[in-house]
Order: sequence, then C-alpha cells, then structure tokens
Amino acid sequence: EPEVTQTPSHQVTQMGQEVILRCVPISNHLYFYWYRQILGQKVEFLVSFYNNEISEKSEIFDDQFSVERPDGSNFTLKIRSTKLEDSAMYFCASSVLLEAFFGQGTRLTVV
Amino acid sequence: GESVGLHLPTLSVQEGDNSIINCAYSNSASDYFIWYKQESGKGPQFIIDIRSNMDKRQGQRVTVLLNKTVKHLSLQIAATQPGDSAVYFCAENQSGGSNYKLTFGKGTLLTVNP
Repeated sequence: EPEVTQTPSHQVTQMGQEVILRCVPISNHLYFYWYRQILGQKVEFLVSFYNNEISEKSEIFDDQFSVERPDGSNFTLKIRSTKLEDSAMYFCASSVLLEAFFGQGTRLTVV
Repeated sequence: GESVGLHLPTLSVQEGDNSIINCAYSNSASDYFIWYKQESGKGPQFIIDIRSNMDKRQGQRVTVLLNKTVKHLSLQIAATQPGDSAVYFCAENQSGGSNYKLTFGKGTLLTVNP
C-alpha cells in the first residue's frame, strides 16, 4: 500500500541551527502539507503546497520556515534558525483531493 | 471561527463494547470531515470521512454520524478491541480552491480494557 515516508524519524538540533525535514509523498498525489504536533496537543496546520507553490500557510509558518519540492518525489520543510519552541512532531501529508494521508512524522528536538 | 473541539478528552471501554467518540465543530461552512486514529509515536491514520451532504457513513466496524443542525460529529466503533486504543481526532475542511487544509480537534484518548 502506498504511504508517505518521512526522514529522519528523530532529529536533535541546537538552537539557532537550520534543519531540513524530508518527505516523500504518495506518488500520484497533487497536494502536499506540513503539520505540527507539540507533545500532548492537537495537530496544527502549517502549510499546503500545490502546483509548485504555497497555497496557504498558517500564522505559525513565519519567515523562518520554507518548503520546497526540489524534484518529482521529495517535499521538504526547512527551519532556518530553530527555536526551543519548534520542538514538536512534524507530519507531512499528501492528498489527491480531500483525503489526506499522513507520514509517521519526524520528532524534532531543539536543545 | 474555525474551531473543532471534543466533548470528552478520555474514554475507557471494555473489550467488545461499542465506543462513541464525539466532536463539535463551529464552522458551519465546513463541508468535509475526517476521523483519524493516532497511536503513540505514529502519524494520524485515516479511519473514515463524510461529506456534509450525508448524515451517516459506515465502514468496517466504524460509523460516522454528522448532525449539521447542531454541528456535531461522532465516531462509533463496534465491538471495540484492544488494538483500537489510541487518540482519535476529528478534522474538518472547507473545500474549494486549491487548498484542502484540515483543522483538527483536540483528540480523545480511547482506552480499551481487556
């Protein structure tokens, strides 16, 4: 069964460092998303991406965040200068239309 | 506003019983709803969805009910099994355009006792 894959599963980084979280969406999907889940809280929308551009972003997705689809298969989330409060699970998702499928997540720990 | 909330943060049931997880939403423009199951350390897993032109949809052991009058969504799990233990999230979407972002509720922890 096709699935969304994310790497790494766990990333530890020092405050102020840049991190890149990687995702391989399901191959025939057109819409790509990043969501964040702080420990014990609900899943929060960060950004959606369609037709090689951002279609919507939340207030969380400030200038420190960027997304890219560098080739036909990868979808990345970059955080330029990480803060302690960026520590969370980051989920990539993809969809053909409405039904979104999520990856297993990357646990980002900023120390 | 766009808020989705849950009535009960935790639910404990006996194996074999039926479970009902509830969700209230406030955005009357939402027209698509999904229930996700999230096991510890994993990503949300799609369970079942329903569009606003329906009031009931059934899957394997699961049923979703939508009451648009009171903006209420429920997930019914029949013959609950220990493997059903997880956090369950409802999520809503306003379709249209080129964006299908989901707004998630806070989640209900379902614990199934053997």
